Amino acid sequence: GENVEQHPSTLSVQEGDSAVIKCTYSDSASNYFPWYKQELGKRPQLIIDIRSNVGEKKDQRIAVTLNKTAKHFSLHITETQPEDSAVYFCAASQGGSEKLVFGKGTKLTVNP
Amino acid sequence: GAVVSQHPSWVICKSGTSVKIECRSLDFQATTMFWYRQFPKQSLMLMATSNEGSKATYEQGVEKDKFLINHASLTLSTLTVTSAHPEDSSFYICSASGQFNQPQHFGDGTRLSIL
Repeated sequence: GENVEQHPSTLSVQEGDSAVIKCTYSDSASNYFPWYKQELGKRPQLIIDIRSNVGEKKDQRIAVTLNKTAKHFSLHITETQPEDSAVYFCAASQGGSEKLVFGKGTKLTVNP
Repeated sequence: GAVVSQHPSWVICKSGTSVKIECRSLDFQATTMFWYRQFPKQSLMLMATSNEGSKATYEQGVEKDKFLINHASLTLSTLTVTSAHPEDSSFYICSASGQFNQPQHFGDGTRLSIL
């Protein structure tokens, strides 16, 4: 089955700096890669996703890149703000409506 | 759009009690819903895939007789934790997708505490 590795487990940056979180996946059949932001005690919220027919996607300060050959994808947050502090999860599946396999999460702390 | 409602949000009960959690898609029909469990400071782990009108598909290691899933309609799936014990204490979250290949949306989760 699919296995998703996520690094780093914790990341601390200064406000205004960029943050990068990386994930690798094992199943070449996976073609959908969402990123979720989860604040303490709350639901995961989809912040951006990418499908295997696209190499990069951007939404304001957030971008995701995908390298199908190497089976890895990354989340990039620019101009970080304290409200970006949360746990971020990457995931992989064989379609948006298929079951998701999550990485272990990255706790991002943005220091004012 | 694509709102998923989960109820209750918090349950505290005694060991041996059975607890039912509801997951509703409020503004769309969901043929498939998913149930995840999340222990403190850990990731979400898929427990089972709930299919409307048929039996749920459980992940390896998840006891189907302990975690009963019913998906009787296109807008409602329920998870019943039978004879719950302290080790079942966790955050249970459901998700659903309204259309094929569209992103899943999560419910608010249910924090279950077994004393």
